[in-house]
Amino acid sequence: DSGVTQTPKHLITATGQRVTLRCSPRSGDLSVYWYQQSLDQGLQFLIHYYNGEERAKGNILERFSAQQFPDLHSELNLSSLELGDSALYFCASSVERSSGNTIYFGEGSWLTVV
Amino acid sequence: AQSVAQPEDQVNVAEGNPLTVKCTYSVSGNPYLFWYVQYPNRGLQFLLKYITGDNLVKGSYGFEAEFNKSQTSFHLKKPSALVSDSALYFCAVRSTSGTYKYIFGTGTRLKVLA
Repeated sequence: DSGVTQTPKHLITATGQRVTLRCSPRSGDLSVYWYQQSLDQGLQFLIHYYNGEERAKGNILERFSAQQFPDLHSELNLSSLELGDSALYFCASSVERSSGNTIYFGEGSWLTVV
Repeated sequence: AQSVAQPEDQVNVAEGNPLTVKCTYSVSGNPYLFWYVQYPNRGLQFLLKYITGDNLVKGSYGFEAEFNKSQTSFHLKKPSALVSDSALYFCAVRSTSGTYKYIFGTGTRLKVLA
């Protein structure tokens, strides 16, 4: 158990809908990262937050947004969903701001868009 | 820009034989390098990392990796493979400068045959 908690574990929704994925980082970790894993795209970096502030953006679609709250949990919002958004979404956390920190992954949220 | 290449989609090895999973990287500045393992329907688990110092890094479950700066490689190795090592392995890199982005390779599926 990495200590990173993601909910829900599985989600099935229709095209055009909006969903929110939630991540609770490990106790004491200030950084949260979101990744998307699909069969044909590997593990794609979406976005990084540190202590409530956005630090880096990767291949995140405009239909997607994220935020990190004062209690350090993070949410990834996916809207106007398309079939191609079906994927496993991972959250990872680290204590950060020092060199070489390891990031620890949650078990992921499986999103199926039908 | 940072990048990681895992040239082999799949590696097959007989149980008891040594295994190598290859990784090369490109990063500005010095790299932090990581290996993770993913079992089916699970999150990524941290195996080992190279930050600085000894080029041979030892990690969990008997795995080790060798950092080679001149060849920009960080190959994962194990002297004697187990069937239970069969999984998907990811190499990741983070630059020591710039944003704290962790970039992952496309993954290598390791199959250990009994």
